Amino acid sequence: RKEVEQDPGPFNVPEGATVAFNCTYSNSASQSFFWYRQDCRKEPKLLMSVYSSGNEDGRFTAQLNRASQYISLLIRDSKLSDSATYLCVVTGDYKLSFGAGTTVTVRA
Amino acid sequence: EPEVTQTPSHQVTQMGQEVILRCVPISNHLYFYWYRQILGQKVEFLVSFYNNEISEKSEIFDDQFSVERPDGSNFTLKIRSTKLEDSAMYFCASSGPSGRETQYFGPGTRLLVL
Repeated sequence: RKEVEQDPGPFNVPEGATVAFNCTYSNSASQSFFWYRQDCRKEPKLLMSVYSSGNEDGRFTAQLNRASQYISLLIRDSKLSDSATYLCVVTGDYKLSFGAGTTVTVRA
Repeated sequence: EPEVTQTPSHQVTQMGQEVILRCVPISNHLYFYWYRQILGQKVEFLVSFYNNEISEKSEIFDDQFSVERPDGSNFTLKIRSTKLEDSAMYFCASSGPSGRETQYFGPGTRLLVL
């Protein structure tokens, strides 16, 4: 079983729409959880950390379900600039374990 | 805003040649990492480095790879004898005092082995 699994998408949504997707992780000892964003051929950039209580950062909402070992990201009021690959990232020690990414394309 | 820098941005080399990829981590960070991303695949951990020694490495990081912090600012990844399958984007990252803070990534070096 892969350490971190994501629906690859692509999710193709109109501007202003809400889009949500999940990832699952296999290591129950994982301690920290993140969503990174990666634009084509660029480096991963931290979008937000994910906390057990759920957290929001502007139009982005992240949830963590430790019992079911899944993490979700919801993007409200999508902008063209939200088009990217979203990487689910899990860590229990120092290394980051990445999912393969979920591609989101926001169209005008 | 402080950032991780990497040089070169692109490197083309012949199979069997040695390459050195360079990184300058964020200045007050203590933990350093190398990751790679083969085209179309996920980002994979290679190695973490703290206090002048490797703290963890993946199975990808075999004897062909080595890391070094030759001075107070640079962090290098050496591939001794490159193979075709080493072609990838190599990202350096760094994080703060405990190693559990956010990791910040450099822009990457795209390595092409011919």
